Amino acid sequence: AQTVTQSQPEMSVQEAETVTLSCTYDTSESNYYLFWYKQPPSRQMILVIRQEAYKQQNATENRFSVNFQKAAKSFSLKISDSQLGDTAMYFCAFMRNSKLTFGKGITLSVRP
Amino acid sequence: GAVVSQHPSWVICKSGTSVKIECRSLDFQATTMFWYRQFPKQSLMLMATSNEGSKATYEQGVEKDKFLINHASLTLSTLTVTSAHPEDSSFYICSVRPGLAGVASYNEQFFGPGTRLTVL
Repeated sequence: AQTVTQSQPEMSVQEAETVTLSCTYDTSESNYYLFWYKQPPSRQMILVIRQEAYKQQNATENRFSVNFQKAAKSFSLKISDSQLGDTAMYFCAFMRNSKLTFGKGITLSVRP
Repeated sequence: GAVVSQHPSWVICKSGTSVKIECRSLDFQATTMFWYRQFPKQSLMLMATSNEGSKATYEQGVEKDKFLINHASLTLSTLTVTSAHPEDSSFYICSVRPGLAGVASYNEQFFGPGTRLTVL
């Protein structure tokens, strides 16, 4: 079974600064997908970024980028130029055979 | 991204009653839908995988007789919490997976807005 670990329960960052959220996972599979989801106070799950395990290039989406280290089974999310609207809970997730396994999540607060 | 709706958005019921939650895929056919449960400040836990036209697959520890899932069409799945108890109070979220293999979004799930269930 796959496990996803987010060891930091919460973080805080100053507006316009950069913050990195860490995530590690454990799997014996070689083909899988990794995701970061954002859950704001509305509780709607929003996809932030996706990484295919077979791709060596790190995914980027505007201010969001990942550092994917397959051998180390690490998948961290970097948020650049943090904005107040980034305040939310962030979940790292692993997908294999269409099933998602989520980490415990991290609460990110962006300070004005 | 895909649009997924859930109804109701919140519901309060008495202990012992049953509650039905609907999940609809509004702009594409979904052969597979997923049901999650989320307690406050916690992660999403997969309860079951709902496949159109067949029986749902439940995760270990989830009572299938208590959480009845029906996926009768390619756009609708329902979760019925039977004989609800206060410990069933939670946030229930559905997600859908597009039914087209080879499409880039095939390996994504699109989430509904969730349903808050409170059992008194």
